[in-house]
Amino acid sequence: TQLLEQSPQFLSIQEGENLTVYCNSSSVFSSLQWYRQEPGEGPVLLVTVVTGGEVKKLKRLTFQFGDARKDSSLHITAAQPGDTGLYLCAPFRTGANNLFFGTGTRLTVIP
Amino acid sequence: NAGVTQTPKFQVLKTGQSMTLQCAQDMNHNSMYWYRQDPGMGLRLIYYSASEGTTDKGEVPNGYNVSRLNKREFSLRLESAAPSQTSVYFCASSDVWTLYNEQFFGPGTRLTVL
Repeated sequence: TQLLEQSPQFLSIQEGENLTVYCNSSSVFSSLQWYRQEPGEGPVLLVTVVTGGEVKKLKRLTFQFGDARKDSSLHITAAQPGDTGLYLCAPFRTGANNLFFGTGTRLTVIP
Repeated sequence: NAGVTQTPKFQVLKTGQSMTLQCAQDMNHNSMYWYRQDPGMGLRLIYYSASEGTTDKGEVPNGYNVSRLNKREFSLRLESAAPSQTSVYFCASSDVWTLYNEQFFGPGTRLTVL
């Protein structure tokens, strides 16, 4: 059984602040996806990280895959109210038929 | 392209009633999925269909049945609804030819069972 932990569970910050959320596991994965889910909507894919140590940037969002491919982080610079949502990580194992989703970090950015 | 569509958006059932949740995708994806999302539990896979004509159980299949009607459509049926099935249900699809099973989600069906 793989264990997947996202932290923090809840995060409330002021507009303009920086933040980092984490996704940690005891298992090694071939890749990992980050999704954002806005209130009342389905999750939307943000990025897939594949290589250990990989860093990907999406405007103000920076995603990193751990060297051992067991963990990942998402850093948001100068958060905006539009960043509000539930951030889900979903590791993937080669050969698996489906993804396994973490419970998410619920981010609220206060104007 | 509409992507993944789900109907209905909201539904209230009484215990013991049955209903079918509909899902369709227009991206020519081979694989389709049904998840439920509950507070503090994340997204849990109910059933999936790797390709037309096949279906497999996920993490929480009890109380549900599915039908892959064709490549576009994948329905989820509750034969005798229970209060424990109150949840938000999401359908998703993915292209079997991608390396990482990146999924595209519908807007969800919010189901309440009284």
